[in-house]
Amino acid sequence: KQEVTQIPAALSVPEGENLVLNCSFTDSAIYNLQWFRQDPGKGLTSLLLIQSSQREQTSGRLNASLDKSSGRSTLYIAASQPGDSATYLCAVSYTGNQFYFGTGTSLTVIP
Amino acid sequence: GAGVSQSPSNKVTEKGKDVELRCDPISGHTALYWYRQSLGQGLEFLIYFQGNSAPDKSGLPSDRFSAERTGGSVSTLTIQRTQQEDSAVYLCASSLLGRALYRDYGYTFGSGTRLTVV
Repeated sequence: KQEVTQIPAALSVPEGENLVLNCSFTDSAIYNLQWFRQDPGKGLTSLLLIQSSQREQTSGRLNASLDKSSGRSTLYIAASQPGDSATYLCAVSYTGNQFYFGTGTSLTVIP
Repeated sequence: GAGVSQSPSNKVTEKGKDVELRCDPISGHTALYWYRQSLGQGLEFLIYFQGNSAPDKSGLPSDRFSAERTGGSVSTLTIQRTQQEDSAVYLCASSLLGRALYRDYGYTFGSGTRLTVV
């Protein structure tokens, strides 16, 4: 079974701080990787999608990087805000037909 | 529609009863996926549709689970003789074309159906 690990499981930071969330996966032959956020009681919102040929993607204050050889991806959040508080999920696809999800990092940004 | 719509948003059912969960994907999205998220666990893949066919049913946990998709649009996930371990949030996602033809499209998820079996 493909494994996706996210560290840390939970993170609490003061507002304004830059932070990095980590995702690692066991098989480097990925098709693509996607970062999502999940707010309590709600579905998932796609943040960034990185194809296997790409090394990073940026959207606003978010930057996701991909290093296939080491089986890692990071999500960098700049100048964190209380509204960023959510669970962040990393998902890896090998075939495009399904994603393997990590268990997420629960982020709390303290005002 | 503008997004992926799932109904009902919440369902409480008695053990042993059958339930149907509905997913209405984004208009024009040919690929549709069902996942479930149990308390404290990650998302678990259930089934994938390309059009009306399901080339990948590998994630369905037992023969009590079935899914169908009609008209290349709405999908229904049916759980027969529900058990308490079926309690979870069932999430549906769609994507424009799926892997076969396009590499550039990720998922859009619905808000899920929270199923509680009592």
